[in-house]
Amino acid sequence: QQQVKQSPQSLIVQKGGIPIINCAYENTAFDYFPWYQQFPGKGPALLIAIRPDVSEKKEGRFTISFNKSAKQFSLHIMDSQPGDSATYFCAASRDNNDMRFGAGTRLTVKP
Amino acid sequence: KAGVTQTPRYLIKTRGQQVTLSCSPISGHRSVSWYQQTPGQGLQFLFEYFSETQRNKGNFPGRFSGRQFSNSRSEMNVSTLELGDSALYLCASSLQYPTGELFFGEGSRLTVL
Repeated sequence: QQQVKQSPQSLIVQKGGIPIINCAYENTAFDYFPWYQQFPGKGPALLIAIRPDVSEKKEGRFTISFNKSAKQFSLHIMDSQPGDSATYFCAASRDNNDMRFGAGTRLTVKP
Repeated sequence: KAGVTQTPRYLIKTRGQQVTLSCSPISGHRSVSWYQQTPGQGLQFLFEYFSETQRNKGNFPGRFSGRQFSNSRSEMNVSTLELGDSALYLCASSLQYPTGELFFGEGSRLTVL
């Protein structure tokens, strides 16, 4: 059922570093690619999303890079902070239906 | 504005029992989706409801079922519980169907002994 592959499973960076999380998808019909952030004991929350008509989107310190031909997209966190420590999920859907999630990346930002 | 509310937050059941989980979406949201979250499988889509009708269903056995009421509140039921059903069950609401932006609740953590 896994149609979105996410890597790495876990990631540790120092404060100020730029963690990068990668996702690859199989279904070329997918047209909406969000990233969700989940803190322990909480549900995932939408962080940033992109559609395939653009190659990059920035919101604050978070950037999505999108490569349609390679069927890959990635999340970059600039100037990472300990408060960014969380689990990040990429996802993809077609016509906003049936969202498929990656397995998640546990990010730890050390002070 | 209140977020998505899920009850109960925690519950323990034994194999063979059945369980019902409840979800109240954000006021005005009409679509409700359910996901199962486990450490090994991540977030797996269960089903989605809009206007009291199931619109999509994931690849789960028939023991997993759900429904949506006229006030958009939703329930999911798991019958004949198995050890592997232990998971965090997340409900997400969205303003309309179809839509990509999901607003998640904090989940119901089910432990099956």
